[in-house]
Amino acid sequence: QQPVQSPQAVILREGEDAVINCSSSKALYSVHWYRQKHGEAPVFLMILLKGGEQKGHEKISASFNEKKQQSSLYLTASQLSYSGTYFCGTEIINYGGSQGNLIFGKGTKLSVKP
Amino acid sequence: EPEVTQTPSHQVTQMGQEVILRCVPISNHLYFYWYRQILGQKVEFLVSFYNNEISEKSEIFDDQFSVERPDGSNFTLKIRSTKLEDSAMYFCASMRGKVWNSPLHFGNGTRLTVT
Repeated sequence: QQPVQSPQAVILREGEDAVINCSSSKALYSVHWYRQKHGEAPVFLMILLKGGEQKGHEKISASFNEKKQQSSLYLTASQLSYSGTYFCGTEIINYGGSQGNLIFGKGTKLSVKP
Repeated sequence: EPEVTQTPSHQVTQMGQEVILRCVPISNHLYFYWYRQILGQKVEFLVSFYNNEISEKSEIFDDQFSVERPDGSNFTLKIRSTKLEDSAMYFCASMRGKVWNSPLHFGNGTRLTVT
C-alpha cells in the first residue's frame, strides 16, 4: 500500500529545478505533499484530488495523474529554503470510498546548495 | 495560528515499562492520528480516531498500543510494555475534515527512547 517515491535523494544548486515522483499500486482518492526539515514535523504543501489536476504553491507545483496513480512535485528555481525531505501521502480508494487516512512514501531528501 | 501540541518532547523509558504520550489537537478538528518515524526513515501510520473511536489502524498498532480521548481536548497514545524497537519519534496529527480536502497538521513530536 505504501507509495513509491523517486528519486530517494536529489542535490541541486540554487536556481535549479527538480521533479519528485510518487506512484501507487492502488487507486487513489487524493495525494498530499509535505516537507520535513531536519528535527521538525512535516509541514503541509498541497492536496491534489482524483479527477486529475495541477496545483501551485509559490514556485512549487504538483500534478496528479489519476489513471496512472501517480503524482509529481515540481520545484522550480530552487532556493536554499527548499532543502528538506519531501513526502507524498496517499489516500487510497477502499470499497469505493476513501480509506480515511494517509499512507506516506519513504521520502525524497532534497539538498539545495549555494 | 492554532497548533497541535505534544508532551513530553522527549521520553526515556526502560524496556517493559508503560508510556503515555499526550497530544492536544487543534480545537475544531475532528480527525486525529498517530504516526511514528524511526530516525531518518518514513513516517508510518499507526492509527486514526474519529467520533471517539478508532477508524483505522495499521499492523504496527497491536494490542500493546491503545488510544484515548479522555476529555474534549486531549488525545493520548499508550504503549503498555515498551520494546527497544518502539524507539522512534511519535507524531500526533489532526485534520479538520476529510482527508481529500483537509491538510494534516502535525505536532512537533515526542521522541521516545527505550533502553
